[in-house]
Amino acid sequence: GAGVSQSPSNKVTEKGKDVELRCDPISGHTALYWYRQSLGQGLEFLIYFQGNSAPDKSGLPSDRFSAERTGGSVSTLTIQRTQQEDSAVYLCASSPIPGSHTDTQYFGPGTRLTVL
Amino acid sequence: KQEVTQIPAALSVPEGENLVLNCSFTDSAIYNLQWFRQDPGKGLTSLLLIQSSQREQTSGRLNASLDKSSGRSTLYIAASQPGDSATYLCAVRQGTNAGKSTFGDGTTLTVKP
Repeated sequence: GAGVSQSPSNKVTEKGKDVELRCDPISGHTALYWYRQSLGQGLEFLIYFQGNSAPDKSGLPSDRFSAERTGGSVSTLTIQRTQQEDSAVYLCASSPIPGSHTDTQYFGPGTRLTVL
Repeated sequence: KQEVTQIPAALSVPEGENLVLNCSFTDSAIYNLQWFRQDPGKGLTSLLLIQSSQREQTSGRLNASLDKSSGRSTLYIAASQPGDSATYLCAVRQGTNAGKSTFGDGTTLTVKP
């Protein structure tokens, strides 16, 4: 595809419900990242995938958060039993082969999650 | 733990002025540093990537420098235009973990016509 795509663009949910956020990286990019940006805050790293494995999950804030990646492509970030503090913009990025001199992160437009 | 600071938090300049945005980081063992632009309600657009072995990168009116020993990077914007108005973020990727990037809080730039 032309760029990183994310769906849905907006999600409003009630406290306690589960949500799934999807990321389609640029074709051929082996690395995929999830970040979140809360109102007035900087970007916070959540998880990094290399292929289908996640060597760094250190940013996931609690065990309510999980992510998977299948076929070295699409990734899904799942938040269970959502809380109001989960409200944020969730950004996905992908990059070509890590360690290459062109290892630039390309970001999607984000999913704005609002938990009522 | 890497910490990234951007100063100033906000900057307003008249059109045509040259300006410098600053980024500092606490751990100099970095893999690369990337400057991004974020427009309101949008994702991030990559501007420049500097590898740890490089001193600077240029693209059009933008020039980014890197001084690892002092933990600093600057983004120089020449002949600013109203279309440059956005939030500028710097992101540092550690040398021991090619995945994770640590972001600064950004500098919000307004260029007045």
